[in-house]
Amino acid sequence: QVQLVESGGGVVQPGGSLTLSCAVSGFTFSSHGMDWVRQAPGKGLEWVALIWYDGSQSMYADSVKGRFTISRDNSRSTLFLEMNSLRVEDTALYYCARHYLSGWNDHWGQGTPVSVSS
Amino acid sequence: EIVLTQSPGTLSLSPGDRATLSCRASQSVSSSNLAWYQHKPGQAPRLLIYGASSRATGIPDRFSGSGSGTDFTLTISRLEPEDFAVYYCHQYGISFPKTFGQGTKLDIK
Repeated sequence: QVQLVESGGGVVQPGGSLTLSCAVSGFTFSSHGMDWVRQAPGKGLEWVALIWYDGSQSMYADSVKGRFTISRDNSRSTLFLEMNSLRVEDTALYYCARHYLSGWNDHWGQGTPVSVSS
Repeated sequence: EIVLTQSPGTLSLSPGDRATLSCRASQSVSSSNLAWYQHKPGQAPRLLIYGASSRATGIPDRFSGSGSGTDFTLTISRLEPEDFAVYYCHQYGISFPKTFGQGTKLDIK
């Protein structure tokens, strides 16, 4: 069955860096775009970034552009999110999700928590 | 950016009731690229509807989606106890950034 397992979350000080991973199984990873979506405490879902199936293009929310980098390793069926210059407002549960056809998200991981605090 | 506004913020109903959730977009959503998700605490969001009205695999037929342009609706015909959750609408496709509504909390009356 399809599985997406995020890891790499933790506590980091403002200005710090963190890299999240999402290990995928159960489908052909290299055939699908992938998204990162986050949920801040008590808030709704916020799209963060998208990477094309082959890694050739990526898109970002304005709130993270220039600070976060989405990447993938199709040989290891793994998605990454490198987060730099972290801010308190980046505190959230970060989900990876499969971007299917036109772009809805049909499979999601359980999320990994990121807390930015001094 | 397409802003999605969901109403009501909270909907209090009883099992067996009919639920109608609204999602209004600040501009037309192209090709009905609108999805609905159910989200329960501690769980991954679950895709219910895509393309405004197509049910995802395994979703019971009590869930239905409708609408086009700027006005979309999720209807749950007869609420089951497991349906009480937060529901989000989501627009995707060629219009970036992808955006979500702020959510409607469906709770038990």
